[in-house]
Amino acid sequence: ILNVEQSPQSLHVQEGDSTNFTCSFPSSNFYALHWYRWETAKSPEALFVMTLNGDEKKKGRISATLNTKEGYSYLYIKGSQPEDSATYLCAHHNNAGNMLTFGGGTRLMVKP
Amino acid sequence: DTAVSQTPKYLVTQMGNDKSIKCEQNLGHDTMYWYKQDSKKFLKIMFSYNNKELIINETVPNRFSPKSPDKAHLNLHINSLELGDSAVYFCASRMLAGGELFFGEGSRLTVL
Repeated sequence: ILNVEQSPQSLHVQEGDSTNFTCSFPSSNFYALHWYRWETAKSPEALFVMTLNGDEKKKGRISATLNTKEGYSYLYIKGSQPEDSATYLCAHHNNAGNMLTFGGGTRLMVKP
Repeated sequence: DTAVSQTPKYLVTQMGNDKSIKCEQNLGHDTMYWYKQDSKKFLKIMFSYNNKELIINETVPNRFSPKSPDKAHLNLHINSLELGDSAVYFCASRMLAGGELFFGEGSRLTVL
């Protein structure tokens, strides 16, 4: 995988549903994997920075896992709420310098 | 106080003009970035500055030039603006290599 890829591109869920998205990235020269939350008309805000294979991080109802050997990360949202509606971006940081490459994002819409 | 601030927020100009977008961060960060949000809403890295040294320069036309008078500022100068330069430009900064990015609110450039 040469690029950072996210799936699905968009997702509609009902309030209370749990959901998850995928981020795929190059597994070679790995340094860090970032997740950001981007609400409409605002700027992206960091959720997690993950560096170790097998890392799991949690912030409230949102959690993320990391597999650096196979080059993927999952973001989970438990019991989605309308305020979770946003675009979720992942970004791959390689060890060649300050390059931080973003995926295309997953746009989540939670219906009340 | 806004951590990363960009001015102007909106800029409408004619093709061929030269314009600048300013970015300032009051976080004491060492590294600053410019990203372009393209027509598909992807965030594409343009430049990175670390302690006044350009350390990344992607395949960006040389009409674009970053200028950093000090480590708290990274301004983006664009010469001979073209229609395709219309986009939202985001400034970001961070302290540690691999650490999370803090984004500005974006500057929407429209070239007529």
